[in-house]
Amino acid sequence: GEDVEQSLFLSVREGDSSVINCTYTDSSSTYLYWYKQEPGAGLQLLTYIFSNMDMKQDQRLTVLLNKKDKHLSLRIADTQTGDSAIYFCAESIRPGGGNKLTFGTGTQLKVEL
Amino acid sequence: DGGITQSPKYLFRKEGQNVTLSCEQNLNHDAMYWYRQDPGQGLRLIYYSQIVNDFQKGDIAEGYSVSREKKESFPLTVTSAQKNPTAFYLCASSRPDRVLDTEAFFGQGTRLTVV
Repeated sequence: GEDVEQSLFLSVREGDSSVINCTYTDSSSTYLYWYKQEPGAGLQLLTYIFSNMDMKQDQRLTVLLNKKDKHLSLRIADTQTGDSAIYFCAESIRPGGGNKLTFGTGTQLKVEL
Repeated sequence: DGGITQSPKYLFRKEGQNVTLSCEQNLNHDAMYWYRQDPGQGLRLIYYSQIVNDFQKGDIAEGYSVSREKKESFPLTVTSAQKNPTAFYLCASSRPDRVLDTEAFFGQGTRLTVV
């Protein structure tokens, strides 16, 4: 079955690193994603990782995937106040060639001065 | 500019009324989705459509209906049968034929409040 879990809140100081964690249960996931949602807005894709990769780095963002433990993390280096938002992990399974994203509960990141 | 547009941004509905939320995209995407967002529950899939004139129920379809008569449009009707309709509704689209076919583009959302 599909179930994606995240902790609800994370608070960090500006300049520190943030690590947002996610666990998923469906081992047939093909892609895993991190989305960012600013207040009152839709979601924007931040980064993604294929299920056959262990790590992906994109500027300040590092995604780690532990497929054995079904654990995904997003590390934001040098966290800024503009990074304050809700972060969603999502997994994708492709039944019959189609596409369906399952989202986690979202982690609200608060960056303090 | 290409994008996905939801309207209205805020919507108020009286109990017992049906209301329709609009979602339009000019990205030439085949697939479109409706999600509901409640605090602490993430996004839950209501309905999705992979192609024109076809759609499937998601995880929480009860009390909702959709249509997909045009590629660009995927309106969602919240019926009076939906017991707790107050929520933030998000529409998304994607192109299933691309390699990264599951990248979804989201609208800005509609906040529905039942009064």
